[in-house]
Amino acid sequence: GDSVTQMEGPVTLSEEAFLTINCTYTATGYPSLFWYVQYPGEGLQLLLKATKADDKGSNKGFEATYRKETTSFHLEKGSVQVSDSAVYFCALSNGGSGGSNYKLTFGKGTLLTVNP
Amino acid sequence: GAGVSQSPSNKVTEKGKDVELRCDPISGHTALYWYRQRLGQGLEFLIYFQGNSAPDKSGLPSDRFSAERTGESVSTLTIQRTQQEDSAVYLCASSFLGVQNSGELFFGEGSRLTVL
Repeated sequence: GDSVTQMEGPVTLSEEAFLTINCTYTATGYPSLFWYVQYPGEGLQLLLKATKADDKGSNKGFEATYRKETTSFHLEKGSVQVSDSAVYFCALSNGGSGGSNYKLTFGKGTLLTVNP
Repeated sequence: GAGVSQSPSNKVTEKGKDVELRCDPISGHTALYWYRQRLGQGLEFLIYFQGNSAPDKSGLPSDRFSAERTGESVSTLTIQRTQQEDSAVYLCASSFLGVQNSGELFFGEGSRLTVL
């Protein structure tokens, strides 16, 4: 079945450092890919998405490119801020091969802490 | 408020007791999802409601779990004869279009269940 693997945390960075959180997936067909973020004390919220190969999703300075050849959707940000401290979840939806495209399959989440 | 509301936020119960978790979705959202997150694990799909269609219950882990939704409003997740392995954060999400239409999921903050 479909699965998402993201880098183990926690990740601790200093403010203005470069961030990469790796995410790879296993799925048949052409899934849509997502990054969700959960700030302390809040529910998960959509950060960005990409629905086809080579698409780049971007929001709030974060970017991720849908790479079908490497089945990856790594999250990057050039200069993190303390306010970016949160848990980040990579996810996919897939209607291929009889899958249910209304479901999201999530990774385990990566805790990011940014220190001033 | 305008977001997804879940209650209780925390529930501690004894093994063998029944528990009921409630989700108030965003008004007008036809799609409603329940997910479970056990410690160190990703989000695990439990059940999906879409309008008046038959729900997708394929993620419910056993017949001790059930969920209901009245129309497009409140949903309740019931766990009967709770076991220690049921301890988790139970997350509810709603969507106007559903993931299959590239709709965003809006999550509540979750109900943390601890079974002693």
